[in-house]
Amino acid sequence: DTVMTQSPDSLAVSLGERATINCKSSQNILYSSNDENYLAWYQQKPGQPPKLLIYWASTRASGVPDRFSGSGSGTDFTLTISSLQAEDVAVYYCHQYSDTSGTFGGGTKVEIK
Amino acid sequence: QVQLVQSGAEVKKPGSSVKVSCKASGGTFSSYAVSWVRQAPGQGLEWMGVIIPIFGPTNYAQRFRGRVTITTEEPTSTVYMELSSLRSEDSGVYYCAQIVGGIPYWGQGTVVTVSS
Repeated sequence: DTVMTQSPDSLAVSLGERATINCKSSQNILYSSNDENYLAWYQQKPGQPPKLLIYWASTRASGVPDRFSGSGSGTDFTLTISSLQAEDVAVYYCHQYSDTSGTFGGGTKVEIK
Repeated sequence: QVQLVQSGAEVKKPGSSVKVSCKASGGTFSSYAVSWVRQAPGQGLEWMGVIIPIFGPTNYAQRFRGRVTITTEEPTSTVYMELSSLRSEDSGVYYCAQIVGGIPYWGQGTVVTVSS
């Protein structure tokens, strides 16, 4: 199974500052058939289901503010929050998916410093 | 717009089984993989298994193999996840998710409580 290693486990950032979360896959998740990385990022707040932020590693989901961006390819991926807002306090997960399997990173808790 | 609606909360005894449903609408149900994901209280997301309705064969995560069964009922666009030999550690929220055109869509989650 593909292992997703997410770092850091937690992160405290001042309001308006940048937050960066990393995710490393144990296998290449770039699909040559369509040149897409099947990698998503989610935000989860207490008592709520995960909310899709990014799919295909760098495409923002509908309605997601542009302060959220995803980058990377192959095995190394990054979620960046360019200017942290109070409502961004949450746990963030990366997720690699395919038709035959899926695995998640362990999560990163983002707090206000 | 793809929508996934799951069945309601369940309370089960240890050793019993639970069957959770996930009904899809708004998309081409049969062609896209549907996965099940578990989240234990205060823990992260854990992938359990997947089915592609049109093909039938499933793939299960190693730790659930032998206890989990994912099936599909195409006429109603519904996928089921059954987990057997329940123990207290199986308590949590169970989600279905379908990847359509590279975009993951999630159900609202089903709370399963295993308690004697």
